[in-house]
Amino acid sequence: SQQGEEDPQALSIQEGENATMNCSYKTSINNLQWYRQNSGRGLVHLILIRSNEREKHSGRLRVTLDTSKKSSSLLITASRAADTASYFCATELSGGYNKLIFGAGTRLAVHP
Amino acid sequence: ETGVTQSPTHLIKTRGQQVTLRCSSQSGHNTVSWYQQALGQGPQFIFQYYREEENGRGNFPPRFSGLQFPNYSSELNVNALELDDSALYLCASSPGTTKNTGELFFGEGSRLTVL
Repeated sequence: SQQGEEDPQALSIQEGENATMNCSYKTSINNLQWYRQNSGRGLVHLILIRSNEREKHSGRLRVTLDTSKKSSSLLITASRAADTASYFCATELSGGYNKLIFGAGTRLAVHP
Repeated sequence: ETGVTQSPTHLIKTRGQQVTLRCSSQSGHNTVSWYQQALGQGPQFIFQYYREEENGRGNFPPRFSGLQFPNYSSELNVNALELDDSALYLCASSPGTTKNTGELFFGEGSRLTVL
């Protein structure tokens, strides 16, 4: 079963626009992470936010975490065609060292 | 620093056969996790190995088994293959607890097709 649920399932935008993806989860977590996957290849870690953090930035990425609502969002600003990929949120459950539970992902298409 | 490598990249098997997938962890990493990713889905946790011992297992039947070797490389074995086993199998490594940041480092995966 999947812990996280991403919303939307698919997102299509123009270059330069911002892309926002949301993730909801069900149980207590140590941290929440976002990964990117290009066309059925390996996953690449983007950013990790711990359960006691509310917001984190990395370059054009901004992640928020609301543990009271069990939700997170990933914002990609000034998107580029190269950002086209699938994005997954993953939660590390409390007591689950490095065992990540992934959502079904958001497929982002950025058009030139 | 060598990243996570997996072999083979693609393979085709028939129902009932057995398959072995291999993974070399990133240098300095002693923990290896395996994930199954069906088409259009997120990765599903199969199991994790830490210092050659299984350290947690997801909701997969016993015909999914694994090994970790002293050099921390790992194998995933699947017996009695079923059509639903067709998927991308991903290996991920991470360092020991003293250096752990929570991040997993993934290989490019092995795509298994069962006919």
